[in-house]
Amino acid sequence: QSALTQPASVSGSPGQSITISCTGTSSDVGGYNYVSWYQQHPGKAPKLMIYDVSNRPSGVSNRFSGSKSGNTASLTISWLQAEDEADYYCSSYTSSSTRVVFGGGTKLTVL
Amino acid sequence: EVQLVESGGGLVQPGGSLRLSCAASGFTFSNYWMHWVRQAPGKGLVWVSRINSDGSTTSYADFVKGRFTISRDNAKNTLYLQMNSLRVEDTAVYYCAKAPRSNGWFDPWGQGTLVTVSS
Repeated sequence: QSALTQPASVSGSPGQSITISCTGTSSDVGGYNYVSWYQQHPGKAPKLMIYDVSNRPSGVSNRFSGSKSGNTASLTISWLQAEDEADYYCSSYTSSSTRVVFGGGTKLTVL
Repeated sequence: EVQLVESGGGLVQPGGSLRLSCAASGFTFSNYWMHWVRQAPGKGLVWVSRINSDGSTTSYADFVKGRFTISRDNAKNTLYLQMNSLRVEDTAVYYCAKAPRSNGWFDPWGQGTLVTVSS
């Protein structure tokens, strides 16, 4: 069982917006602004999309945005495109000895 | 261009050992934390281990503690993962990833190397 909880799947049509949630506890998501999000296409390595809750790396489309409220972080993708269809994972720093936790992943389907 | 290239994966019997390598280029390797993350077939990402920039601090997931050892050779710009007492459930693609600080994000990731533990 993953430490962070994500919906197994979400879907949307091209042009729409979707939001993926990532729920943890006060020991991880809620306690620190160290949440990151990764996109993974089939057979490929994960790619960083958001870091430190809401920062976007250079080269990542501004259609991707991140936020946090309490123990839940969120990734929002605006103006969905076919190329956004992928698995998305959240990750957070944690005060536990492992220091790093991932969510179980969310499969985004663009209808 | 920042690049991470893993190698060393393969087929091994339960109880066996493997050493994974991650060759880094395009950045000052000795300045960064490095991590190993694995992904079992059809499953999600799971953090395995991390090491600080000079190799003096390491952390492990509970399920590999005592069996896996992370290390690095900054002169060779290479990260390692020594895996002993391998179990069937260790079967996964193993990724190395660079992190800017101890509580930082992972960017970039290597392409991964597949470890299959089977008799």
